[in-house]
Amino acid sequence: GQQLNQSPQSMFIQEGEDVSMNCTSSSIFNTWLWYKQDPGEGPVLLIALYKAGELTSNGRLTAQFGITRKDSFLNISASIPSDVGIYFCAGHRSGTYKYIFGTGTRLKVLA
Amino acid sequence: DGGITQSPKYLFRKEGQNVTLSCEQNLNHDAMYWYRQDPGQGLRLIYYSQIVNDFQKGDIAEGYSVSREKKESFPLTVTSAQKNPTAFYLCASSTAGGEKLFFGSGTQLSVL
Repeated sequence: GQQLNQSPQSMFIQEGEDVSMNCTSSSIFNTWLWYKQDPGEGPVLLIALYKAGELTSNGRLTAQFGITRKDSFLNISASIPSDVGIYFCAGHRSGTYKYIFGTGTRLKVLA
Repeated sequence: DGGITQSPKYLFRKEGQNVTLSCEQNLNHDAMYWYRQDPGQGLRLIYYSQIVNDFQKGDIAEGYSVSREKKESFPLTVTSAQKNPTAFYLCASSTAGGEKLFFGSGTQLSVL
């Protein structure tokens, strides 16, 4: 099935650093969703975006809906050890029940 | 608290056996989904249901069956026809229009 291209695939960062990741698609979406998944657990919805250019924050997390509607970005500021996990994006088109998921970014934070 | 409850957390299947994974939500969502997650791979849609007593096959429905007799419940049966059932199974539900998708905590199914 189709997957969204997400980068980077994985990253090691030092505690306190900022992190950026993105998700790109060949087609447009009406909604972008960002999730964090810990090992053996279900994904937790972090941020939902509904409008091109929209910038939304949730604590230290900030996500943006790309103006072309084909991409989205997630930033984590001042990372802490509990930020470790897999982050993935999902795109959704209005009027459908199909979600397309990103390949995931594995984040590892070095204390 | 509102949410999606999946049970059991771990499940083991013997050869030739059918097993059923439970999914219950109290979010009052009409749409519910089952996804399969394999290590290092993305989520693949097994089945989804937009309304009670109706459901549609997803991308990998072979070897699986579902029912939707109540709005709150969407159980998934992994039948003996599914030859490679070992995976992490995730149930989800979405808001009207699908603008937000929420997941349960997952069930890890393994074959004995």
